[in-house]
Amino acid sequence: QQQVKQSPQSLIVQKGGISIINCAYENTAFDYFPWYQQFPGKGPALLIAIRPDVSEKKEGRFTISFNKSAKQFSLHIMDSQPGDSATYFCAASNFGNEKLTFGTGTRLTIIP
Amino acid sequence: EAGVAQSPRYKIIEKRQSVAFWCNPISGHATLYWYQQILGQGPKLLIQFQNNGVVDDSQLPKDRFSAERLKGVDSTLKIQPAKLEDSAVYLCASSTITGGGYTFGSGTRLTVV
Repeated sequence: QQQVKQSPQSLIVQKGGISIINCAYENTAFDYFPWYQQFPGKGPALLIAIRPDVSEKKEGRFTISFNKSAKQFSLHIMDSQPGDSATYFCAASNFGNEKLTFGTGTRLTIIP
Repeated sequence: EAGVAQSPRYKIIEKRQSVAFWCNPISGHATLYWYQQILGQGPKLLIQFQNNGVVDDSQLPKDRFSAERLKGVDSTLKIQPAKLEDSAVYLCASSTITGGGYTFGSGTRLTVV
């Protein structure tokens, strides 16, 4: 019930391309869905987040698409750059609970 | 604003030894979390504090792990005795608002040999 499933495990994208990472959740009580970016040796850093009252949120090159009926959400990175190479985690929480349940992570590599 | 501070950055111990990690959250952040991140996995919550009270410790292996947050500021996480499977990065995070917006520290990488 508490799982957040993330795919793919790893992703290689050419510079300038679109990177897409997908997540699915089971717990319908989740109502906050953030994405975190983690570089080696660093803690995860909040990238962008969405609540289920909207279907899409865009911040610069990063967009979250949210499908409440399918219980799925995805991260799109437009015009991917080598500096975007990192591990990305989706997560979910109950707004009143705060505890985040993380996906298993996607290692993104942007090649020239 | 200063970030979440953690120490040490790295620790190598033998199994059955004890170890302690320290975390100083962002000033004013009432909520503090300890997460365990095993290599290749997402972080898993161990314990959540609200000020100096425990909110959730359901996934803390209480036979060997303990944590405290004295005076609602700094926190320590202890493992005694350590097992090989405790090898992981231990992340501390803090937040001031309900519903997310965590700031993570850089973590302590523990290797148990």
